[in-house]
Amino acid sequence: EIVLTQSPGTLSFSPGERATLSCRASQSISSSYFAWYQQKPGQAPRLLIYGSSSRATGIPDRFSGSGSGTDFTLTISTLEPEDFAVYYCQQYGDSPTFGGGTKVEI
Amino acid sequence: EVQLVQSGAEVKKPGESLKISCKASGYRFTSYWIGWVRQMPGKGLEWMGIIYPSDSDTRYSPSFQGQVTISADKSISTAYLQWSSLKASDTAMYYCARPPGFADFLFDYWGQGTPVTVSS
Repeated sequence: EIVLTQSPGTLSFSPGERATLSCRASQSISSSYFAWYQQKPGQAPRLLIYGSSSRATGIPDRFSGSGSGTDFTLTISTLEPEDFAVYYCQQYGDSPTFGGGTKVEI
Repeated sequence: EVQLVQSGAEVKKPGESLKISCKASGYRFTSYWIGWVRQMPGKGLEWMGIIYPSDSDTRYSPSFQGQVTISADKSISTAYLQWSSLKASDTAMYYCARPPGFADFLFDYWGQGTPVTVSS
């Protein structure tokens, strides 16, 4: 099973700052099968990025994804108040797994 | 509009059985996989498994194989997640979710979640 590690568990920013979140895989994965989700308290997760860099429908362009092999990154160019949430990475190959999540807090 | 509506909150005792549901609408149920994700209290997301309702092809995460059963009823466009003997460690929020169509194991549409509490 591919293990995805997101560290640190919590990142603190001010609105307007740039946030960079990382996710490392225990083995190389295809960038075609890598995604990021956002989850706010009391809500279901929302798909942000798929194929490591493609934004899902309706996702603002301040969200961008990159990476390959074992290292992937989610960047939020300018944090808006509604972006403070927990972010999960996922690899969706034959045996999908999620990372443990990174909380982006004010 | 794609909608996934899950059954309501459950409170059960250890050893009891349970089947929760996810009613799909707004699309052809048999044309998309539909899966389940667990979120234990205060914890992250765990991919449990997925079913293709057209032929009932089912895939499980190794962590959940043998622990739960995923099924679907095409006639009523509903997917199910069931346990034969609940444990306290099954206490969690369970989400059903559907892929967008271009990637089978990616989830774009989500249900509202079913909270399950297992306590003596």
